[in-house]
Amino acid sequence: KAGVTQTPRYLIKTRGQQVTLSCSPISGHRSVSWYQQTPGQGLQFLFEYFSETQRNKGNFPGRFSGRQFSNSRSEMNVSTLELGDSALYLCASSLTGLEIDEQYFGPGTRLTVT
Amino acid sequence: GQQLNQSPQSMFIQEGEDVSMNCTSSSIFNTWLWYKQDPGEGPVLLIALYKAGELTSNGRLTAQFGITRKDSFLNISASIPSDVGIYFCAGHGDSNYQLIWGAGTKLIIKP
Repeated sequence: KAGVTQTPRYLIKTRGQQVTLSCSPISGHRSVSWYQQTPGQGLQFLFEYFSETQRNKGNFPGRFSGRQFSNSRSEMNVSTLELGDSALYLCASSLTGLEIDEQYFGPGTRLTVT
Repeated sequence: GQQLNQSPQSMFIQEGEDVSMNCTSSSIFNTWLWYKQDPGEGPVLLIALYKAGELTSNGRLTAQFGITRKDSFLNISASIPSDVGIYFCAGHGDSNYQLIWGAGTKLIIKP
């Protein structure tokens, strides 16, 4: 069974631009969570989607948004990029997102904002 | 919100040594998960714990869900070079659909 895939793996953008990252969950998984990880930091929760609905959101500005499609694939968008948005963006999928389910991660998208 | 305190922040060990790290919280958690992350990659699930007192092994790794439900530890026996990386604990508490994460323990093996 294929794992979680994220595209692109690497991205370089300029301040003020916007970016869209994509995540394809493990087949059959309907919950997708997004995290931001900066160097030396733990994982900061962005949001979680299930059946195209955002169920939970972390403490990030409105420039960070996401969506989920009917096939459970998810995208996140960051508008008006700032230097501080440079990070590894990780996507994780699970069957339902409930506490009985384990999250499996993709390799991440490394975003560099110059 | 809920927080997890993970310690130590980093560890320098000799190959062959045993390693122990833990996570604690002031509130109750319903599940504990331990992940390992290699540089530039996503975390990989090592062990999942679902019941207070549960002790689970995965090869040289052993993890326990504390009886109070407020802590968990991970032990690695006879460390080898490929054990190098960052280990994270995570848990489901009272936040729906959201895992709470520790800050990570960086494991470094002394040459």
